[in-house]
Amino acid sequence: SAVISQKPSRDICQRGTSLTIQCQVDSQVTMMFWYRQQPGQSLTLIATANQGSEATYESGFVIDKFPISRPNLTFSTLTVSNMSPEDSSIYLCSARDSGTGGSYEQYFGPGTRLTVT
Amino acid sequence: AQTVTQSQPEMSVQEAETVTLSCTYDTSENNYYLFWYKQPPSRQMILVIRQEAYKQQNATENRFSVNFQKAAKSFSLKISDSQLGDTAMYFCALNNNAGNMLTFGGGTRLMVKP
Repeated sequence: SAVISQKPSRDICQRGTSLTIQCQVDSQVTMMFWYRQQPGQSLTLIATANQGSEATYESGFVIDKFPISRPNLTFSTLTVSNMSPEDSSIYLCSARDSGTGGSYEQYFGPGTRLTVT
Repeated sequence: AQTVTQSQPEMSVQEAETVTLSCTYDTSENNYYLFWYKQPPSRQMILVIRQEAYKQQNATENRFSVNFQKAAKSFSLKISDSQLGDTAMYFCALNNNAGNMLTFGGGTRLMVKP
């Protein structure tokens, strides 16, 4: 299974600013994903980070607000731009193993707790 | 579109007893994968158990087992000999055969009482 780390683990930011979250995987993976988890809620997929091409965004999420980079098979970043208090959430990175017989299980990073004041 | 529903927002169980968490889902795919994830207060999502839809045998991982009823689209998680460390949010999730879309249920908060 892949081991995933995220930086920062938490941050408090002022509205109108931007924060970039980093996600590092300890092995090469086919797919990387970014999720948002609002307090006490389930996970919502923001986008799929594609290596070498633009990210694929889910309904309700746009590139201008959540630009994503994926420069290689082990690393991705998510930027939360022009933040407002509604962006206060936990942001989780995940990766799908390219092996293991195609079970498509995803492994998750520890999350980044973002508070916007 | 695929959906996952967990009808129990909160549950509690006494230490050493058994508890079952419910999950139902809907998908148009014939082949797919189902998962249970655990999220303790540390926020780390941990994969507990997985089930391939084409396998009739229920998956088991130590104290964790599932009851997979494909026709009823039901996928419950049974935790035997509950331990205090099992206290967490539990999420049921469905991944279609293409592997890109992992859909989560709303979660069940489990409290194990001493």
